Amino acid sequence: GAVVSQHPSRVICKSGTSVKIECRSLDFQATTMFWYRQFPKQSLMLMATSNEGSKATYEQGVEKDKFLINHASLTLSTLTVTSAHPEDSSFYICSARDEAGVGFFGPGTRLTVL
Amino acid sequence: GENVEQHPSTLSVQEGDSAVIKCTYSDSASNYFPWYKQELGKRPQLIIDIRSNVGEKKDQRIAVTLNKTAKHFSLHITETQPEDSAVYFCAASGDTGFQKLVFGTGTRLLVSP
Repeated sequence: GAVVSQHPSRVICKSGTSVKIECRSLDFQATTMFWYRQFPKQSLMLMATSNEGSKATYEQGVEKDKFLINHASLTLSTLTVTSAHPEDSSFYICSARDEAGVGFFGPGTRLTVL
Repeated sequence: GENVEQHPSTLSVQEGDSAVIKCTYSDSASNYFPWYKQELGKRPQLIIDIRSNVGEKKDQRIAVTLNKTAKHFSLHITETQPEDSAVYFCAASGDTGFQKLVFGTGTRLLVSP
């Protein structure tokens, strides 16, 4: 199947700092990528849809100024958590769907804000 | 928008038994229904999917059935093994790469030896 990578896998930061997470589709082009957040023992909550060359579409309740998304190329989308606080600590996973519509996930980024 | 419900939230079976997880969806326009398996701390992995033009699909011990009229689909795992223990998520969507997958709440499957 297709491969989606994500970096970093883990990050620990101080409250108030910003953290950037990268998501790459390695063997296919993804004009659309998706960012999810997952709390322990819970489901995948879609945060936003990242669109190459245009603005991201955010789900209701997700602050676009807090979670900045940039999709500068057909293989790279970035999520920046700005002015992170402890409540932003979570598992962030990106996803992309291939030409057949099959969704593949990145390995996830575990963010811990102290 | 689409809403996906999943039951049960937890399921415990003995090794060798069958396990069934059920999902319902709300948007009749959805036509792609994947199932993912997620082990602790890892990414969700696609295990099987079905599109609306078929009613059933099977891959070895795993099968998925779809009832579009009733808007529900189910995952069936036969001859369960301890390594099947994980969290399983169903999802529903349109079938293009531009459309978001909406996930169910997950089922924690525990297979005891």
